[in-house]
Amino acid sequence: AQSVTQLGSHVSVSEGALVLLRCNYSSSVPPYLFWYVQYPNQGLQLLLKYTSAATLVKGINGFEAEFKKSETSFHLTKPSAHMSDAAEYFCAVSEFTGGGNKLTFGTGTQLKVEL
Amino acid sequence: NAGVTQTPKFRVLKTGQSMTLLCAQDMNHEYMYWYRQDPGMGLRLIHYSVGEGTTAKGEVPDGYNVSRLKKQNFLLGLESAAPSQTSVYFCASSYIVRETPTDTQYFGPGTRLTVL
Repeated sequence: AQSVTQLGSHVSVSEGALVLLRCNYSSSVPPYLFWYVQYPNQGLQLLLKYTSAATLVKGINGFEAEFKKSETSFHLTKPSAHMSDAAEYFCAVSEFTGGGNKLTFGTGTQLKVEL
Repeated sequence: NAGVTQTPKFRVLKTGQSMTLLCAQDMNHEYMYWYRQDPGMGLRLIHYSVGEGTTAKGEVPDGYNVSRLKKQNFLLGLESAAPSQTSVYFCASSYIVRETPTDTQYFGPGTRLTVL
């Protein structure tokens, strides 16, 4: 079965600092990976997804993620944090079984941005 | 375009009561999903549907039933609520492009349910 592990349930950065949120995956087949963001009291919104077309994936709001097969990782980064980036971030791996696109989520990382 | 909407936003039930959560989407998506979100556990799939009139079990289906009588609606029912079902429930939908694992799921705003 496919799974993802997010290291660090809480990450705190200063405004303007680098954001690095870690995600490692486990999959017996080439994985399809997603990052979603959840702002307080809202649903999940897609940030970016890896579809095997390119290892460096650019998403919305200045975020990007790099797929590294050798490290089984798909870490999310942003060069300069903004206060509006404070949210919970979820990494997910996808499996299509003919019964829909089943997402398996990590446990989430709460990002706090401080002045 | 409202996207994915969920009704109600909040609900408090007593143990043993029943209720139905409604999910509606106006994007003509074939696939719809129900998840629950619990602290420290991410989102877990309860049930899903690949089209009108079809439903299937996900990872944590016990205690829930679903129906998809219309393409745009996906209902989640709790017949006899238990405190363990206290959670935030999210509905999602997705379109079919090439039936690949890269199809994006679009999420509703969630329903916060408390069972006393």
